[in-house]
Amino acid sequence: GAGVSQSPSNKVTEKGKDVELRCDPISGHTALYWYRQSLGQGLEFLIYFQGNSAPDKSGLPSDRFSAERTGGSVSTLTIQRTQQEDSAVYLCASSQGATGANVLTFGAGSRLTVL
Amino acid sequence: AQSVTQLGSHVSVSEGALVLLRCNYSSSVPPYLFWYVQYPNQGLQLLLKYTSAATLVKGINGFEAEFKKSETSFHLTKPSAHMSDAAEYFCAVSPHTGTASKLTFGTGTRLQVTL
Repeated sequence: GAGVSQSPSNKVTEKGKDVELRCDPISGHTALYWYRQSLGQGLEFLIYFQGNSAPDKSGLPSDRFSAERTGGSVSTLTIQRTQQEDSAVYLCASSQGATGANVLTFGAGSRLTVL
Repeated sequence: AQSVTQLGSHVSVSEGALVLLRCNYSSSVPPYLFWYVQYPNQGLQLLLKYTSAATLVKGINGFEAEFKKSETSFHLTKPSAHMSDAAEYFCAVSPHTGTASKLTFGTGTRLQVTL
């Protein structure tokens, strides 16, 4: 597509429920990233996929968080047993390559509210 | 480990006044540096990037930034603010070596433009 597409744009869930957030990157972009944006916290790196390499999961805050990328394209971020502190905007980004100079193109984000 | 510090979580300027948003980085070697802008309910959009070519980088919407190694700074400026510049601005750093363009973001500066 023309840009990075994320769904849902808004999700309200109850504490303890599982949620799935979807990211459709720009066609042809080999690298895909998930970030979390919490109020007053800036952007926190979660996970990074590059081609067929093993993902860099170093930013995932707990084992309740997981992500997969199928066929080198669409990615799903799953949060199990959601907690109120998981409330944030989850941003997905993609880039053509994976060098430090590559520009990330961001989606509009998925706003998660855990009640 | 790399990091960026943005001084001032909120900056207010009058329309037509100079915009100066501060960013200092911490890195053992000069990294790649970026400024992104986020308008309400939107994803992040690249304003400009420094990749070790010219130290004065010009970006979109009249913004520019100067890389100063001696000061480890990459401040963002615009000579004359416009109402449409009101947004949140993020400075980010990426490693100069390795293969991951995993950005580390500052906590952001919200720019308010008043009449």
